[in-house]
Amino acid sequence: NAGVTQTPKFQVLKTGQSMTLQCAQDMNHNSMYWYRQDPGMGLRLIYYSASEGTTDKGEVPNGYNVSRLNKREFSLRLESAAPSQTSVYFCASKQGNTGELFFGEGSRLTVL
Amino acid sequence: GQQVMQIPQYQHVQEGEDFTTYCNSSTTLSNIQWYKQRPGGHPVFLIQLVKSGEVKKQKRLTFQFGEAKKNSSLHITATQTTDVGTYFCAGPRAGNNRKLIWGLGTSLAVNP
Repeated sequence: NAGVTQTPKFQVLKTGQSMTLQCAQDMNHNSMYWYRQDPGMGLRLIYYSASEGTTDKGEVPNGYNVSRLNKREFSLRLESAAPSQTSVYFCASKQGNTGELFFGEGSRLTVL
Repeated sequence: GQQVMQIPQYQHVQEGEDFTTYCNSSTTLSNIQWYKQRPGGHPVFLIQLVKSGEVKKQKRLTFQFGEAKKNSSLHITATQTTDVGTYFCAGPRAGNNRKLIWGLGTSLAVNP
């Protein structure tokens, strides 16, 4: 079992460029999440998906879109990257019974 | 709005000393989770507490959930260098338990 897999691990973008962060889990979890982590700000929820076909906004959704492609995959798209989106992004999935979140290894994004 | 505060923000100890981090919620929580994030790593689930006054132990780690279910603590006995990292607490958001509200974390440094 790979758990939660995120790609890419590192990315440098120029302001205005677009990109998609990919996330896949092989634990058959219904709920998946995208967080960003900035120094001193902790983990902030961008978007989440309670089940296949549904997505909802978190605390900081502006500038992002998501797609729950199927039960396994939940992608995060930046349509026009801004320097304020420089951050470490974590995808997570939730085990239904226990509520435990399983995190991917993170994607470190720098927007110049 | 709902807040989860963690103190201290940073803690520096000598190896072998004890360490405690405290988590205080502005609202009653149905449960609380603790995660550990090693430097450069991703958050890893440690434990979930559900019952009022609950105490759980994992080797040198002791977790407590307050009687009013608004406070929690993590105590590490005789710290080791492997304990280095940031410890986060998180609880369900009021009105939407699919989302978690996170503390900002306590960063622990251990001098060998």
